[in-house]
Amino acid sequence: EVQLLESGGGWVQPGGSLRLSCAASGFTFSRYAMTWVRQPPGKGLEWVLDISPSGDTTYYTDSVKGRFTISRDNSKDTLLLQMNSLRAEDTAVYYCAKATWGQFENWGQGTLVTVSS
Amino acid sequence: QSALTQPRSVSGSPGQSVTISCTGTSSDVGDSKYVSWYQQHPGKAPKLMIYDVSKRPSGVPDRFSGSKSGNTASLTISGLQAEDEADYYCCSYAVSYTYVVFGGGTKLTVL
Repeated sequence: EVQLLESGGGWVQPGGSLRLSCAASGFTFSRYAMTWVRQPPGKGLEWVLDISPSGDTTYYTDSVKGRFTISRDNSKDTLLLQMNSLRAEDTAVYYCAKATWGQFENWGQGTLVTVSS
Repeated sequence: QSALTQPRSVSGSPGQSVTISCTGTSSDVGDSKYVSWYQQHPGKAPKLMIYDVSKRPSGVPDRFSGSKSGNTASLTISGLQAEDEADYYCCSYAVSYTYVVFGGGTKLTVL
């Protein structure tokens, strides 16, 4: 059974940093692209970042370029999201998802990031 | 990277059929083989219901079907059941394959 477990969410002040992790199990992690999707409270889903199976290619939505970095450790079946210069509008539940051609078959339970002073 | 356009809400009675539309552009929905649909119940993670425009993952009832015409994709749910009440999101992999775009979401109410 595929399992994705996010961790690292919490409260941070504007301008601060946070690092999210997603532990994967139940599939060959190194064979799949992975994605972070976020959902602000009461709002819709927003794709944020993608990373290729090997980790050598990444894609970002414009609003996080230069602030967020996606990476992965295939030896530990772990997806990472480093978030810097956080803004109030980054407040959301962050989901990691297993991706195939931009389609997401499996999702984690999500971790809430709150950016507020 | 504009969001795909979905109706804010749709409704139907048990046993009826409803269709949710998802309109994009020739750069995403119109030219992509990779359109997907997700169901999300309150407080839960999204669940993949349709992928590759019209394919169903294992375990998804055949009451759920997907299609596409031009720049508009559609999700049809037939034989509505109470448990279908949820938010539904469409999603498209852009033709340049450098980004993914979601629809704004549609709230389905089963009357």
